[in-house]
Amino acid sequence: SQQGEEDPQALSIQEGENATMNCSYKTSINNLQWYRQNSGRGLVHLILIRSNEREKHSGRLRVTLDTSKKSSSLLITASRAADTASYFCASVLNRDDKIIFGKGTRLHILP
Amino acid sequence: DVKVTQSSRYLVKRTGEKVFLECVQDMDHENMFWYRQDPGLGLRLIYFSYDVKMKEKGDIPEGYSVSREKKERFSLILESASTNQTSMYLCASSLTGLPYTQYFGPGTRLTVL
Repeated sequence: SQQGEEDPQALSIQEGENATMNCSYKTSINNLQWYRQNSGRGLVHLILIRSNEREKHSGRLRVTLDTSKKSSSLLITASRAADTASYFCASVLNRDDKIIFGKGTRLHILP
Repeated sequence: DVKVTQSSRYLVKRTGEKVFLECVQDMDHENMFWYRQDPGLGLRLIYFSYDVKMKEKGDIPEGYSVSREKKERFSLILESASTNQTSMYLCASSLTGLPYTQYFGPGTRLTVL
């Protein structure tokens, strides 16, 4: 598998439910970032978690990081139609400060 | 707020044409990047630049070149466009140093006929 792979590839949930997306990576990281991309647009940075942090919150977003499992999760609580988008994790590697994007999770919020 | 702009949202070119994609950022960022995004393949880095007149190849530089004559502007050049270069092209910028948060432009959807 590649550095920074999201799971699932696609997710459909009812408005108001919580959405959880996961990201796995392979090599040691300095930080991990989550981005959102609305259809046909550029990516927008959502939240960053450093390797020495376990959990961060920003509004309805909650990110966790488990460095022992080399995985992260993004939770969006009380989902809204406007949350429909693709979500990407990006890991910043320790060895060369390179940033590697995953292939994304497509989230669809059903009315 | 950081603003990254790209010269065109949609572009249609013919095979063999020389294509210029322009990107401008207004936050004095040292680093600039060009990615292409294709369904099922995610974002792939074409070239990046960490300073004026400096450039580094990314993962898929073949068929592309870049130019950075000014700090705020990073151009991607397709010397002779081919149909397999039909894609969404995304420009991004970041400050030098960790955490390397990237700021993206709106993207250019290029179709090569």
